[in-house]
Amino acid sequence: GQQLNQSPQSMFIQEGEDVSMNCTSSSIFNTWLWYKQEPGEGPVLLIALYKAGELTSNGRLTAQFGITRKDSFLNISASIPSDVGIYFCAGRISNKLVFGAGTILRVKS
Amino acid sequence: NAGVTQTPKFRVLKTGQSMTLLCAQDMNHEYMYWYRQDPGMGLRLIHYSVGEGTTAKGEVPDGYNVSRLKKQNFLLGLESAAPSQTSVYFCASSYDFLGETQYFGPGTRLLVL
Repeated sequence: GQQLNQSPQSMFIQEGEDVSMNCTSSSIFNTWLWYKQEPGEGPVLLIALYKAGELTSNGRLTAQFGITRKDSFLNISASIPSDVGIYFCAGRISNKLVFGAGTILRVKS
Repeated sequence: NAGVTQTPKFRVLKTGQSMTLLCAQDMNHEYMYWYRQDPGMGLRLIHYSVGEGTTAKGEVPDGYNVSRLKKQNFLLGLESAAPSQTSVYFCASSYDFLGETQYFGPGTRLLVL
């Protein structure tokens, strides 16, 4: 079945640093989604990407839909303590939505 | 407007016991879903519903049953709980099928001993 490889698994960074995480797959997707999950809460959508090469920003977050349609990355600039959480990617093709295992982000202030 | 709510928040079961998890949404969404989240793995779809009175199997349906008697509610049942069902369960609803409009509930943490 389709699988997403999300990396890194976890990050412990200094406040103010930039963060980069990515998802790769052997399968092609039509849509890439990035979610954030805070402790005790469900995932919340951050960014949705709909076509290859698309670059979309949401405040300090920037995500890109890979040219090959098999990958996507998420960057967070100038991290702050409230960025802590688990970030998930998800790829959609036809009637399937596949989630990555998540990147745990911790920020030192 | 509460969005998606789940009850209970946390439950401990013994092997073989049964329980029902309740999900409610107030956004008039047609589509509702149940996922499980396990360490080191992405969310996996258990069952879903495309409208009142309908249910369908997702990726990992074994050991679970669901019902959607009312549009706003989606129930997940475990008839005979097993330790392998220890997980965090998320309910979600959406305007379009598996779309980016999916709103997730806060989760139910289930421990099966």
